Amino acid sequence: EVQLLESGGGLVQPGGSLRLSCTASGFTFVTYAMTWVRQPPGKGLESVSTISGSGGSTSYADSVQGRFIISRDNSNNTLYLQMNNLRGEDTAVYYCGKALAGPYGCCEFWGQGILVTVSS
Amino acid sequence: DIQMTQSPSSLSASEGDRVTITCRASQNIVNYLNWYQQKPGKAPKLLIYVASSLQSGVPPRFSGSGSGTDFTLTISGLQAGDFATYYCQQSYSFPWTFGQGTKVEIK
Repeated sequence: EVQLLESGGGLVQPGGSLRLSCTASGFTFVTYAMTWVRQPPGKGLESVSTISGSGGSTSYADSVQGRFIISRDNSNNTLYLQMNNLRGEDTAVYYCGKALAGPYGCCEFWGQGILVTVSS
Repeated sequence: DIQMTQSPSSLSASEGDRVTITCRASQNIVNYLNWYQQKPGKAPKLLIYVASSLQSGVPPRFSGSGSGTDFTLTISGLQAGDFATYYCQQSYSFPWTFGQGTKVEIK
């Protein structure tokens, strides 16, 4: 059974940093691209960043480019999102997602989500 | 970025009804189109991938069609557990973009 478990969320002041983790199990982690998707309270879904299975290729939404860094540790089946210079508009539930097989992107399975609140 | 436009934004329906939700992409995305169901406080759940393929474990009353720029999600015989918000999403190019959602409510 595929399981994705996010951690590391919480309350942070504007300009602060936070690192999210997503621990995966139930599939061969290195084989699949992974994506972070966020959802502001009461709003729709926005893809934030994606990383290839090897970790050699990454992409970012314009809204987070230069502030967020996605990475993965395939030896520990863990995905990360380092979030720097956080803004109020980054407040959201953050989900990690496992890619579909083949070239079909996000997301076959999702974690339960973790809330990040940026506020003073 | 590719823009995804869903319609309607909400609808009211009764159990047993046939429901259709449409999604239009701002450019040709071939068949790189997924549909998700989301219930309050929960993560999205994949229903349909590559426009018309039913995800494992999803009831066959859910179906998808379309290609290019126009796509449709159909629920044949709405059941109580289907009242939720539905999103389309293109996986043709990053950033993967989502429609604004369609909330299916009980009439």
